Amino acid sequence: DIQLTQSPSFLSASVGDRVTITCRASQGISNYLAWYQQRPGKAPELLIYAASTLQVGVPTRFSGSGSGTEYTLTIGSLQPEDFATYYCQQGNSHPPAFGQGTKLEIK
Amino acid sequence: EVQLVESGGGLVRPGGSLRLSCVASGFTFSSYSMHWVRQAPGKGLEWLSFITSSSSTVYYADSVQGRFTISRDNAKKSLHLQMNSLRDEDTAVYYCARTPVSYDFWSGPTRHLDVWGQGTTVTVSS
Repeated sequence: DIQLTQSPSFLSASVGDRVTITCRASQGISNYLAWYQQRPGKAPELLIYAASTLQVGVPTRFSGSGSGTEYTLTIGSLQPEDFATYYCQQGNSHPPAFGQGTKLEIK
Repeated sequence: EVQLVESGGGLVRPGGSLRLSCVASGFTFSSYSMHWVRQAPGKGLEWLSFITSSSSTVYYADSVQGRFTISRDNAKKSLHLQMNSLRDEDTAVYYCARTPVSYDFWSGPTRHLDVWGQGTTVTVSS
């Protein structure tokens, strides 16, 4: 099974900051990588799929990139509503797997 | 509005059974494949099971294989998860989620979950 490791697990930042979260796969996943945002007590929401395609309705301050085994989610200018937990998910091979999450907190 | 609403969660004893349901609205349910994903308290997301739009193909995580059964009723726009032989470690919030294709998750380029329900809580405890 493919393992996903996100870094960092916790991130403290301020409104207006630019932040990057990394997701590393235990083997190549051919850009089958999605990113989700989960606010406390809420369901996950899709942000990006196919490594870099922005889901309809998601603000353009969110962007994704990467290839092979390393992928990144970048938030261009943090807004108050962006403080949440972020998960990556691989869709290269069974079973689909999620990273352990990155909790983004307000500094 | 595209929506998924789960129900059926509750408190159950170890070894017991529970049947979760997920009702869809705002889209043509019969044209989409579906998943169940869970989240234990304070933990991350764990994928559990997948079913194609026609129910022709299903997949399970090793952790629930042989204990859980996914099914759907397209006429009623509903997805189900029959959970048997429940264990303490099955305690979690259970989400249903949609993949925006009708076919096998592993057959095409679409490998993400685009719509999620709000979740239903299952507690396994004596």
